[in-house]
Amino acid sequence: DIVMTQSPDSLAVSLGERATINCKPSQSILYSSNNKDSLAWYQQKPGQPPKLLIYWASTRESGVPDRFSGSGSGTDFTLTISSLQAGDVAIYYCQQYQSLPLTFGGGTKVEIK
Amino acid sequence: HVQLQQSGPGLVRSSQTLSLTCAISGDSVSSDSAAWNWIRQSPSRGLEWLGRTYYRSTWHYDYAVSVKSRMTINADTSKNQFSLQLNSVTPEDTAVYYCASGWSLQYWGQGTLVTVSS
Repeated sequence: DIVMTQSPDSLAVSLGERATINCKPSQSILYSSNNKDSLAWYQQKPGQPPKLLIYWASTRESGVPDRFSGSGSGTDFTLTISSLQAGDVAIYYCQQYQSLPLTFGGGTKVEIK
Repeated sequence: HVQLQQSGPGLVRSSQTLSLTCAISGDSVSSDSAAWNWIRQSPSRGLEWLGRTYYRSTWHYDYAVSVKSRMTINADTSKNQFSLQLNSVTPEDTAVYYCASGWSLQYWGQGTLVTVSS
């Protein structure tokens, strides 16, 4: 199984400041058919299912604000919230879909400082 | 826009069978570009993918090793839904269960908290 390691476990950021979350797969998650990394990012608020933010490591899902961006390649990926808003308080997860079983990171809790 | 509506009991006794259904609107369970997943979430296990089904000229089923011997996913084209059956449950199967579509999981059901009582 591909292990997804997220860091940090939690972070507190001031409103309007940048938040950065890291995700490290235990092996390559490159999808050879399109040469893209099979990595997704989700946002989960209490009592709600996860919401897809980013797929193919850097493609923003329709309707997701452009302050959310994904980057990285190989075994190092990052989700950046460029200017944290109050509504961004949530737990963020990365997930690989290159091979079965689909696996998720342990989550990063983002709070307001 | 795809919507997934889950249904099923929130309480199951140990050793019994957990059964949940996910009704699909806005897409077809037999779409040749979709996949239909079951995922659960608990404090001890985090987000755990359980299995999926998809149709590519024939039906395909994939299961996580941890539940493979106990789990069955079924697709019902007449009702445009898919279901999960998990046999011989224990309290460790207590979790919020979700259905979700795709490989990057684009659409999710609302979640069902299933408690397994001993």
